[in-house]
Amino acid sequence: ETGVTQSPTHLIKTRGQQVTLRCSSQSGHNTVSWYQQALGQGPQFIFQYYREEENGRGNFPPRFSGLQFPNYSSELNVNALELDDSALYLCASSLKTELNNEQFFGPGTRLTVL
Amino acid sequence: RKEVEQDPGPFNVPEGATVAFNCTYSNSASQSFFWYRQDCRKEPKLLMSVYSSGNEDGRFTAQLNRASQYISLLIRDSKLSDSATYLCVVNPTGGFKTIFGAGTRLFVKA
Repeated sequence: ETGVTQSPTHLIKTRGQQVTLRCSSQSGHNTVSWYQQALGQGPQFIFQYYREEENGRGNFPPRFSGLQFPNYSSELNVNALELDDSALYLCASSLKTELNNEQFFGPGTRLTVL
Repeated sequence: RKEVEQDPGPFNVPEGATVAFNCTYSNSASQSFFWYRQDCRKEPKLLMSVYSSGNEDGRFTAQLNRASQYISLLIRDSKLSDSATYLCVVNPTGGFKTIFGAGTRLFVKA
């Protein structure tokens, strides 16, 4: 096991609602990245947090936001949910270095938007 | 053109076969490369990093060709347990943005 945990495991919401997903990083890791994985696709980078600040962002609208806490755990918030937001949301923790960005993934949260 | 492209497969091979996957990337400044394995409805798990000199881990060999901008994964003596989706991963800058390919599905048959 990677030591990365996510909650909840599954979630069902309706269009327009808001959702918060949580991630606890592996001990000793200071970086958390969030990904969205639609069925049959590879994970798509949403954003990364390093030492409590957003360190970079993929092509996702502002209604996708996040936080990182002093213990390096993180939250992903999605407002105004749309049907296309239905996906597996993965967080990955890593130790930020210049050359080695090996990431360790949590089991994911499967979000269904009805 | 996608930033990272993989043959989606699926690859259907018998046990004991050798199978190779290729992955191309568009950003010549890319610095870090990895292969991840993802089992059905599970999270991706790091299989191996890909170094400029190539690297081998048991039955798995990864190669990087910077001139042609592709990486490869070779699996020898395939096992039933190798059945999974193999994700090619590229870090374009050594910084924050990691790009995954869509994955190549492998089925190993008895």
